[in-house]
Formats: sequence, structure tokens, C-alpha cells
Amino acid sequence: DAGVIQSPRHEVTEMGQEVTLRCKPISGHDYLFWYRQTMMRGLELLIYFNNNVPIDDSGMPEDRFSAKMPNASFSTLKIQPSEPRDSAVYFCASSPPAGGGGTQYFGPGTRLTVL
Amino acid sequence: DAKTTQPPSMDCAEGRAANLPCNHSTISGNEYVYWYRQIHSQGPQYIIHGLKNNETNEMASLIITEDRKSSTLILPHATLRDTAVYYCIVMGDYKLSFGAGTTVTVRA
Repeated sequence: DAGVIQSPRHEVTEMGQEVTLRCKPISGHDYLFWYRQTMMRGLELLIYFNNNVPIDDSGMPEDRFSAKMPNASFSTLKIQPSEPRDSAVYFCASSPPAGGGGTQYFGPGTRLTVL
Repeated sequence: DAKTTQPPSMDCAEGRAANLPCNHSTISGNEYVYWYRQIHSQGPQYIIHGLKNNETNEMASLIITEDRKSSTLILPHATLRDTAVYYCIVMGDYKLSFGAGTTVTVRA
């Protein structure tokens, strides 16, 4: 079984550019989570979806960040415009219907560098 | 969500059991205890979770005290590949909140 797939694995961009991170959850999972990890702040939950609907976006840092889940097999996290402080590793995770979202399977992450 | 307290680091000898403590004295009756680990440069990995009873799976055992104010994750035979940051999380509101965790170093 393929796990959670994220692309790209690495992204280097310049300040002000738009960045789109992509995630394909595990088939059959109905929860999808986006996290950000930095040395300073650790691993932070940005937003999560249940059945493609955003449930809690209280962790999204500001209006420059947006996330969508157009169908059960695809989600995007967009940053526009990007800033150097957005540099981090972004993880996507999915969770099966049973268990209320606690058992999460993480992707390999996207390492974003904003110059 | 209830907060958890873990030691920042611990060492363990290869082949021996590793016992990782976690305090969660403000846990509510319906909140689960979850353990995850993160090996360097990888995404976090689910290990085990429990509510009241002790749990065991192929990776580890989870011992929760009767008053539920603390728990211990046991890796029965630590290997070098178990070197990682281990997170103890009390889950509420369908969200996991990762703290600093315990950095476990398994030494040959």
C-alpha cells in the first residue's frame, strides 16, 4: 500500500512567489491534516479536513496561507506571497474513519526554503 | 487539551528495554494517550494509544496508571533504529498537539 504522498519533496523559491504543496492521502482515509515543523516552533497543526470539509483552520498563520481539498484523494496548501519565515518542513497526514483522527499516517514532508 | 511532561532526553542500551515516562495529570476522562515517534528527517510515526487499559502491539507496550495521570511507553528490545524523538500526546477535540518530546538515543 502506498502511504501518504507529498510533492514536491523539496522546494526552493524566492520571497513573493506563490508556492503550492500537494498531498495525496491514503485511500479510504477521511481525515487529512497539514502540519508545519520548524526548529523554533516544533510541529504545529495548520488545518484539518474531514470528508473533504475544512473543520479547524485555527492554526493557519495568516491570510497568505490557504488549503483546499477538492476530492478525497487530493489536497493542496498554498502560500501566496511566500516569505522567508515560511521556510519549514510541511507534513501532510491522513487518518482512517475509525478512531476520530488520532491515528495519523504522515507523509515524508516537503522541505520549503524561501530566499 | 491536557498538557504532557516528558524528560527532554534519555539513553538506552541496544537490546535492553526502554521505558519512556510521561506525566499528564490534567487528563480528562474521555481523552486518549497517544505516542508517536519521529526519526530524523522523516514524518512522525504512530506507535500506540490507550484510554485506561494497558495496550500492546508489535512496536511497543503502553502502561497507563490507574489514576491516568501518567503513562509509560515500553520498547521491549531497543535497536539502533529506535533512535528518535518520542512524543506523548493527550488527544482532545480530534487534534494532536505535539510538544518537545523525549529524544531517545539507543547506544550499541
